[in-house]
Amino acid sequence: AQTVTQSQPEMSVQEAETVTLSCTYDTSESDYYLFWYKQPPSRQMILVIRQEAYKQQNATENRFSVNFQKAAKSFSLKISDSQLGDAAMYFCSHSGGSNYKLTFGKGTLLTVNP
Amino acid sequence: DVKVTQSSRYLVKRTGEKVFLECVQDMDHENMFWYRQDPGLGLRLIYFSYDVKMKEKGDIPEGYSVSREKKERFSLILESASTNQTSMYLCASSFPDRNQPQHFGDGTRLSIL
Repeated sequence: AQTVTQSQPEMSVQEAETVTLSCTYDTSESDYYLFWYKQPPSRQMILVIRQEAYKQQNATENRFSVNFQKAAKSFSLKISDSQLGDAAMYFCSHSGGSNYKLTFGKGTLLTVNP
Repeated sequence: DVKVTQSSRYLVKRTGEKVFLECVQDMDHENMFWYRQDPGLGLRLIYFSYDVKMKEKGDIPEGYSVSREKKERFSLILESASTNQTSMYLCASSFPDRNQPQHFGDGTRLSIL
């Protein structure tokens, strides 16, 4: 069975600083993708960034980047220059197996302090 | 932009009622999903559908059923609502490729009294 573990239920960061959210996963698949989703308070869940397992290069989207360590099955999200609008629940997820279902972690609630 | 629309943002029902949650997507996605979101438990997959009239159980299907008569519409049915089904329900859709992200609706906060 595939599992995704987010070990930090809550994190906080000062505005303009950098924060890293941790995620580890377990899978027997060799071909898979990893995603970070963001769910702002009372708003829609949206994709932040995705990583292809066969690519060694870490994905980057503006202020968001990942540290993908395939051997360690680790997929952390780094948010640089944190903004108040980054405050949200962040979910790490893994796609693999049949019919491209996603397995989600339990989420990390990020607070951004002004 | 992809639009996934859930019929209700908030819903209050009584124990024993049959409850229908509707979801419509406008991007011709083959895959559609129903999740339940509870604090401390993350998102748990109830059911998903990979084609019209095709469905597969997720991790927590007990007490739920689904219907997909048209490609754009995926309904979640609580046959006889119980208080432990009070939760946030999220619908999502995607193309059938592993690299494709899922697109989510706004969610339905369902309370069973």
